[in-house]
Formats: sequence, structure tokens, C-alpha cells
Amino acid sequence: QQQVKQSPQSLIVQKGGISIINCAYENTAFDYFPWYQQFPGKGPALLIAIRPDVSEKKEGRFTISFNKSAKQFSLHIMDSQPGDSATYFCAPGTSYKLIFGSGTRLLVRP
Amino acid sequence: GAVVSQHPSWVICKSGTSVKIECRSLDFQATTMFWYRQFPKQSLMLMATSNEGSKATYEQGVEKDKFLINHASLTLSTLTVTSAHPEDSSFYICSARVGGVNTEAFFGQGTRLTVV
Repeated sequence: QQQVKQSPQSLIVQKGGISIINCAYENTAFDYFPWYQQFPGKGPALLIAIRPDVSEKKEGRFTISFNKSAKQFSLHIMDSQPGDSATYFCAPGTSYKLIFGSGTRLLVRP
Repeated sequence: GAVVSQHPSWVICKSGTSVKIECRSLDFQATTMFWYRQFPKQSLMLMATSNEGSKATYEQGVEKDKFLINHASLTLSTLTVTSAHPEDSSFYICSARVGGVNTEAFFGQGTRLTVV
């Protein structure tokens, strides 16, 4: 499915650094923009989500930036920690359906 | 957040047999449940969407006769992989939503199916 493009595929960050993951979508009908975190062998868990009427949302160390005109949104993880090492998925969609990106494997080095 | 429980967490079955995976919403009523499939190091691919009391809607390319979905109540959906073959080995994940506009989707812990 080419509706959602996520980058980078993998990311290595030093402890305390900033991790940035990007997501681009094509469908202008999307009105829900979440990021999920998945650890090996587990189901994904919602990290943070944003609605299209807001350009930025911050929850603790996690921030979503949303650019409606560019059809892009990004996840920023401030002060990255080794415990943040996981796979992150954007999954924009509607109230009915989510389309998952290809995932970004984040490794935070101590 | 709300809890979605899947059972079993892992299962090994012989080729040609059928396997049933249960998905339960423990502390809320899920009007809609979703079933995903995830191969190693890949993304989640939606297989089907089910609403309580009605037939499931399958995504293009998913065999409805092979992957039987039943959503008998507001707290339980089941996925049965019929006549399983080694290529059906995968990580199956369910998700549940309460309903309404833009509500959060809660995911189960997944079921690792290995067909030998």
C-alpha cells in the first residue's frame, strides 16, 4: 500500500538525543493521525495521536507535528532513552480504518 | 487504557488443521474489531473488519473462506484459520474500537501462529 510512506526505515540515536520519524500520506480523507510503539512479540500500543485541526501536540517527551498542506506528520522523541528502543508505526486513517506505515526501528544507544 | 486480550499467545499446529484465535475486550464493549497480520520485520496488514452481529468485511486479497471471522458479541471476536499451511505462519493481531468518530483503537498482544 503506497498510501502511507514512513521514514527512515531504521534510526540509531544516542541516549539523550532527539529521534525524529516522518510519515507522508496521500488520502485527504484521513482525519486521525496516530503513532504506535511496538516491542518484539507484542501488539502495538498507542503512543500519541493528533487531529487535523491541530498542528502540534506534546505529551511528555513525545511530540507530533502535523502539516496538513504537505500531508505529512512527524514524531519527535526528546531525550531519547534506551527503553524507547522499539519499532514505531504511523497509522493515519479515518474513524473506520487505519493504514499502517512500514515502520521505523529505533535503537537508542546508552 | 482499555484492555484487549488475545488467546492463545502462541500456537503450533500441523498443516491441514484449523486454528481458532480469540480476541476479547475486557473492560469495554467493542462495536468494531479488526484483524491484522504481521510478518517478521514488516508492517501490520489489515485482513478484515468485523462489526458485532454482522458479516466481516475482508480486505482485497484475503480469502474469506480460509480466514473465518465471527463477532458474536460486543466483547468477543474470533479468527479461525482453516486448513492451515506453513505460509499461514505469522503474527496475528486483533484491535478493537468503542465506536464513534476517531476513537482510539486498542490492540491485543498478538498470537504467533506456526504451522508445521
